Amino acid sequence: NAGVMQNPRHLVRRRGQEARLRCSPMKGHSHVYWYRQLPEEGLKFMVYLQKENIIDESGMPKERFSAEFPKEGPSILRIQQVVRGDSAAYFCASSPYARGEAFFGQGTRLTVV
Amino acid sequence: QKEVEQNSGPLSVPEGAIASLNCTYSDRGSQSFFWYRQYSGKSPELIMSIYSNGDKEDGRFTAQLNKASQYVSLLIRDSQPSDSATYLCAVNMKTGNQFYFGTGTSLTVIP
Repeated sequence: NAGVMQNPRHLVRRRGQEARLRCSPMKGHSHVYWYRQLPEEGLKFMVYLQKENIIDESGMPKERFSAEFPKEGPSILRIQQVVRGDSAAYFCASSPYARGEAFFGQGTRLTVV
Repeated sequence: QKEVEQNSGPLSVPEGAIASLNCTYSDRGSQSFFWYRQYSGKSPELIMSIYSNGDKEDGRFTAQLNKASQYVSLLIRDSQPSDSATYLCAVNMKTGNQFYFGTGTSLTVIP
């Protein structure tokens, strides 16, 4: 059973471009969480999704950020018109049910130049 | 008050000693509690989960939960240098759907 798969592992974007981060949850997991982590800082919650639904997006900036988890395919975190402050590690975690154990992917390191 | 608070450390213990990591949380109705280990530059790795009051043991790790005191801890027995990492406490609160993470405690095990 493969773990949570995130791609790309590293992503470099110029200011103003779009960044698209993908997360394939573990088999049988229908709950996906996205977190952002800056160097030497903790994990900041961004969004929680179940298949085809956004359950909680309270941690996600209203502007430029969006997330989806379609019926088929991976969950996508999209950042439009990236700025230098978006540079961070973005982690996805999946869980088989709400409030259950969540397992993390390897993360995507986004660098905005 | 932060939702989940941890002593940021750093915490240093000699090899073979017991390392004790502590965490408090704000929502009295919280029901799910987790400890993660994160090596520098890597992703968080789930170590323990605990849902009811008392102790839960898994190998060298013991998680302790006291809901009345809103306190959860992690004990690492016979600490090894490979245990050197940042340990993150996570709580799934009654209100809301997300896992709230503490800022982590940095542990160094000295050979």
